[in-house]
Amino acid sequence: SQQGEEDPQALSIQEGENATMNCSYKTSINNLQWYRQNSGRGLVHLILIRSNEREKHSGRLRVTLDTSKKSSSLLITASRAADTASYFCATDGGSSNTGKLIFGQGTTLQVKP
Amino acid sequence: NAGVTQTPKFQVLKTGQSMTLQCAQDMNHNSMYWYRQDPGMGLRLIYYSASEGTTDKGEVPNGYNVSRLNKREFSLRLESAAPSQTSVYFCASRPGRAASYGYTFGSGTRLTVV
Repeated sequence: SQQGEEDPQALSIQEGENATMNCSYKTSINNLQWYRQNSGRGLVHLILIRSNEREKHSGRLRVTLDTSKKSSSLLITASRAADTASYFCATDGGSSNTGKLIFGQGTTLQVKP
Repeated sequence: NAGVTQTPKFQVLKTGQSMTLQCAQDMNHNSMYWYRQDPGMGLRLIYYSASEGTTDKGEVPNGYNVSRLNKREFSLRLESAAPSQTSVYFCASRPGRAASYGYTFGSGTRLTVV
């Protein structure tokens, strides 16, 4: 079963707008990660937030984590056409000794020029 | 700076045929993983190798076998392909088991079983 559930499944915005994607998970975690996948390509690691962190920034990306609600959000500010991709959250399911990640089903983002 | 290299990129098999998907990483990573990606299902873990010399089953291991040939290479074998194994297969690696590392992914193998 999927650990992460992402919302919305699809999002379409205009260039320059902000995009927000949400992820909910079921079990305790040590960290949560976000990945980007361009069409026909592999996934690219974007950012990792630890369970004792509430917010993290990387360039135009802002990730928040609420462990009490078992949820996370990814905000992309001032979006560009190049941000068009699918975005996945992934958690370790609380297991720190195997490195296994459990992925959500993803949010497909379209940024219109 | 190749990262994770997967071969082949595309493959069409007939039901019952066998094949091996190859994966190699040049980053001296300890842990390697095989995932499959199906529409609407996200990525599901098939097998993983937390360190050289070890392999373990993931969420969907049936119909697959793996070999961690050395620290660089982790292959996935389909012994008797079935249409349900039509998917995109991704290999990934990370420096160690610790949860603080992100994965580096290959570009995928698109497999069709007819």
